[in-house]
Amino acid sequence: GQQVMQIPQYQHVQEGEDFTTYCNSSTTLSNIQWYKQRPGGHPVFLIQLVKSGEVKKQKRLTFQFGEAKKNSSLHITATQTTDVGTYFCAGCGSGAGSYQLTFGKGTKLSVIP
Amino acid sequence: NAGVTQTPKFRVLKTGQSMTLLCAQDMNHEYMYWYRQDPGMGLRLIHYSVGEGTTAKGEVPDGYNVSRLKKQNFLLGLESAAPSQTSVYFCASSYGPGKYYGYTFGSGTRLTVV
Repeated sequence: GQQVMQIPQYQHVQEGEDFTTYCNSSTTLSNIQWYKQRPGGHPVFLIQLVKSGEVKKQKRLTFQFGEAKKNSSLHITATQTTDVGTYFCAGCGSGAGSYQLTFGKGTKLSVIP
Repeated sequence: NAGVTQTPKFRVLKTGQSMTLLCAQDMNHEYMYWYRQDPGMGLRLIHYSVGEGTTAKGEVPDGYNVSRLKKQNFLLGLESAAPSQTSVYFCASSYGPGKYYGYTFGSGTRLTVV
């Protein structure tokens, strides 16, 4: 079945450093979504990308969908302690009948003040 | 606007006991989902529903049953709880399929089976 791999599993950064998490699929995706889960909280939808090569920004967060629609990245510039949490990517396959999201296992970000 | 509400928030069960987790959404969403989250395993889909009266199996359906009698409610049942079902359970809903719409998650139910 559809698999979405995320790396790294954990990342510790000093406050002010940049952070990037990567999402890779073995098959072409129709879309990619990103979610953030704060410690003890629930996943919260951040953004969706659907076009090949698409780049979207939300303040210090930059999201990118690869040209082949098989990978994606989330980059945070100058991390803050409020960025702490686990970031999940999720995508749907591009085949007929693929309608449900498959989630990656997430990247847990720790920010050292 | 409450969004997605899950009850209860915490529960401890003895092995073999049964229980029902309730998920309610007030956003008129068609699609609803139940996930379990275990350390290092991410979010795994248990069952989902694409509309009132419909249910379908996800990735890890064994030991669980669901019902969607009303559009706004999605119930997850454990008939005979096992320690392996100790987990955090999240309900989610979406206006349409994940191919097009983001999911709204509830705050979760932390279940411990002893």
